[in-house]
Amino acid sequence: DSGVTQTPKHLITATGQRVTLRCSPRSGDLSVYWYQQSLDQGLQFLIQYYNGEERAKGNILERFSAQQFPDLHSELNLSSLELGDSALYFCASSADLSNQPQHFGDGTRLSIL
Amino acid sequence: DAKTTQPNSMESNEEEPVHLPCNHSTISGTDYIHWYRQLPSQGPEYVIHGLTSNVNNRMASLAIAEDRKSSTLILHRATLRDAAVYYCILVDTMIYNQGGKLIFGQGTELSVKP
Repeated sequence: DSGVTQTPKHLITATGQRVTLRCSPRSGDLSVYWYQQSLDQGLQFLIQYYNGEERAKGNILERFSAQQFPDLHSELNLSSLELGDSALYFCASSADLSNQPQHFGDGTRLSIL
Repeated sequence: DAKTTQPNSMESNEEEPVHLPCNHSTISGTDYIHWYRQLPSQGPEYVIHGLTSNVNNRMASLAIAEDRKSSTLILHRATLRDAAVYYCILVDTMIYNQGGKLIFGQGTELSVKP
């Protein structure tokens, strides 16, 4: 058990819809990362938050947004969903911004019909 | 982002040592070498990391070449549970606003035979 909790585990929705994925980091971790894993693109870094502030951005689409709340949990919002957004979305957390290991959740599997 | 090169796949026998190579010829002085693995149907899992010296922990050992252009992850006795995709990743935490993000390559798929 990594200590990182992601909900829901599975999500099935239709094109054009909007969904919110939730992540609770390990106790005490200030940094949260979001990654997307699809069959054709592999694991890709999307975005990182540290103590409520956005710190790094990767290949995140404009239709996607994220935030980290004062209690340090994070949400990834995906809107105007397309078939190609079907993927596993992982959240990871680490203690701070340094070289500390990242601990991953079990992911949310998003299926767009 | 500095890149790494790993074999696509490797095979091992159970209870034998496994040496997983990684080349990173363009590594910078501030890049740490991290290894993660992903077991089937699970999220990635941290294995080990190092900068210049060899490192050991309960999961594995990391051997880093003197010029730091390559490294080897060593599993001392492979078990069936070690079958996974292993990722070698360079992390530069000196770049402002990079915050230690992980850039995953294709990794090495390790299969372990009983």
